[in-house]
Amino acid sequence: GQQVMQIPQYQHVQEGEDFTTYCNSSTTLSNIQWYKQRPGGHPVFLIQLVKSGEVKKQKRLTFQFGEAKKNSSLHITATQTTDVGTYFCAGRASYGKLTFGQGTILTVHP
Amino acid sequence: NAGVTQTPKFQVLKTGQSMTLQCAQDMNHEYMSWYRQDPGMGLRLIHYSVGAGITDQGEVPNGYNVSRSTTEDFPLRLLSAAPSQTSVYFCASNPRGNTEAFFGQGTRLTVV
Repeated sequence: GQQVMQIPQYQHVQEGEDFTTYCNSSTTLSNIQWYKQRPGGHPVFLIQLVKSGEVKKQKRLTFQFGEAKKNSSLHITATQTTDVGTYFCAGRASYGKLTFGQGTILTVHP
Repeated sequence: NAGVTQTPKFQVLKTGQSMTLQCAQDMNHEYMSWYRQDPGMGLRLIHYSVGAGITDQGEVPNGYNVSRSTTEDFPLRLLSAAPSQTSVYFCASNPRGNTEAFFGQGTRLTVV
């Protein structure tokens, strides 16, 4: 079945440093989504990428979708303490099913 | 709108007991899913539904049953609880198609 791998599992940064998490799928995806989960909370949708090679930005967050539509990345510039949480990618290859990566837990030290 | 509502928020079960985790959404979404979240494992799909009367298995369906008699409700039944089912359970819904998923607040289940 479809597998979505995400690395790293943990990332500790100092406030102001950059952060990147990577996502790789075993199959070609129709789209990829990114979610953020604050400690003790539930996943909240950030963005969806659909086109091959697509790049989208949300303030300090940059999302990329690979040319082969099998990999993606999330980059945060100049992290802030409000960025702490777990970031998940999720790929949809087949009808109705969304497969999540393992998530990257981001800790930001002030 | 309440969005996706899960009950209960916390539950402790003894091994062998059965229970139903409730999930309701008021957004008229066609798709609903159940995930479990364990440390280091991410969110793993248990069962999902693409509409009333239609359900299918996800990645980790064993020990769980679902039904979808209405658009709004998608209960998850644990038939005979085991310690391995200790986890945080999330219900999610989304409209038809490749759209964002809306998650409930989660149910933290402990099986002793």
